[in-house]
This record gives sequence, structure tokens and C-alpha cells, in this order.
Amino acid sequence: SQTIHQWPATLVQPVGSPLSLECTVEGTSNPNLYWYRQAAGRGLQLLFYSVGIGQISSEVPQNLSASRPQDRQFILSSKKLLLSDSGFYLCAWNRFGREARFEQFFGPGTRLTVL
Amino acid sequence: EDKVVQSPLSLVVHEGDTVTLNCSYEVTNFRSLLWYKQEKKAPTFLFMLTSSGIEKKSGRLSSILDKKELFSILNITATQTGDSAVYLCAVSTQGGSEKLVFGKGMKLTVNP
Repeated sequence: SQTIHQWPATLVQPVGSPLSLECTVEGTSNPNLYWYRQAAGRGLQLLFYSVGIGQISSEVPQNLSASRPQDRQFILSSKKLLLSDSGFYLCAWNRFGREARFEQFFGPGTRLTVL
Repeated sequence: EDKVVQSPLSLVVHEGDTVTLNCSYEVTNFRSLLWYKQEKKAPTFLFMLTSSGIEKKSGRLSSILDKKELFSILNITATQTGDSAVYLCAVSTQGGSEKLVFGKGMKLTVNP
């Protein structure tokens, strides 16, 4: 069976500090990978998605970046955090294929507070 | 721009009540509509709908899609306190990119 891991679970960082959040998927190969952010009381905002190693699509211009150094690893980074970067960050994966199903599976999330 | 709108944004009911959650969408090249339940952490999948007029059912939850009017509803009958959560609606589109567009979510509170 497939599992998705995220760490850390919670993080408190000062403004201007760097950020690195990691997501890994087990039990599948060549997944599509996604980073979402959920601000308090809001829906999920897609930040980045990746259909393969080294392939990153950015949905929202901001001071965040993403990388996919390995097939089942997805990293979200920032060189300098802003207060507005606070939120709940979710990693998700799904298999790409011709079938109509498009179900995303979410990791446990990282709650980031920037002070 | 693709858009998914959920209503109401929040709802408080008593145990045993029946609730209806609404989701309307405006997207190009619609493929499917998905419902998720989010309690404290990650959203969990409830339903995926691709065809109009076919009801999906799981216990006390059911959902239906109207592709002509571009909306879906999620019904919960005989609500329980464990149904308290944020319910998210999302739409996937056909074409080059594999991604979901989410609504803002609906916060349901079921009081005993």
C-alpha cells in the first residue's frame, strides 16, 4: 500500500529565516506530487506540482520554491520567510493515467507559524 | 480562471439533522468533481463524480453531480458529532496539467 510522509509536523520560524519542508511517498512509482497551502479558514491553494523528477510547475508567484530531486521526494523551500507564509502545508500525490479516476492522497501536513 | 464556490461557508446543526452542502464550479474542460472531509489534519477522500445524475452513496453520505447546471451537492442524513469537519469540494480538469481546483471549504459543526 502507498503512504505519504511529511515532516516536520509543526514548525515555528522567525521572519527572514529559511525553510525546507520534505514530502516522500512510498509504495508507488512516478507519482504526480503537489504542494498546497491552507490558511486559517480558507480552502487549499495549490502552490506547486510535479509530474516527474526535476519538473516543477508553479501556480502562484511568491517567495517559495519547490524541487523534486528523486522520484518520490518533493521539497518545499524558501530563502526568507514572510509572515504571510504561515499556514498549513499539505503534500499530495496521485497516479497519472488514462483512467478517469483522479483522486489525490494527502500527507499529514506541516503547520508553519512565522513570527 | 477556473473557480469552485462552496456554500454555505459554515453551518451549525444538531445531531440528527440532515444537511446539504453545495458546490458550484466554472472550469474549462471539466473531468471530475471530488468531495473531501478534513478534520484536524489531512483531507480524506469521500466521493468522485464524473457523470451527471448518478448518485454516489456511502452510508449516511451521498452526492450527486449536475453537469448541465455546473454544481454538486453533498447530503448528510442523521448527522452525528463525528461529522463535524470542513468539507472540501474540488474539480479536476482535462488537458495538459493534472491538478485540482479547490473551493474554500464548508465548516460543519454538529452539536449534541
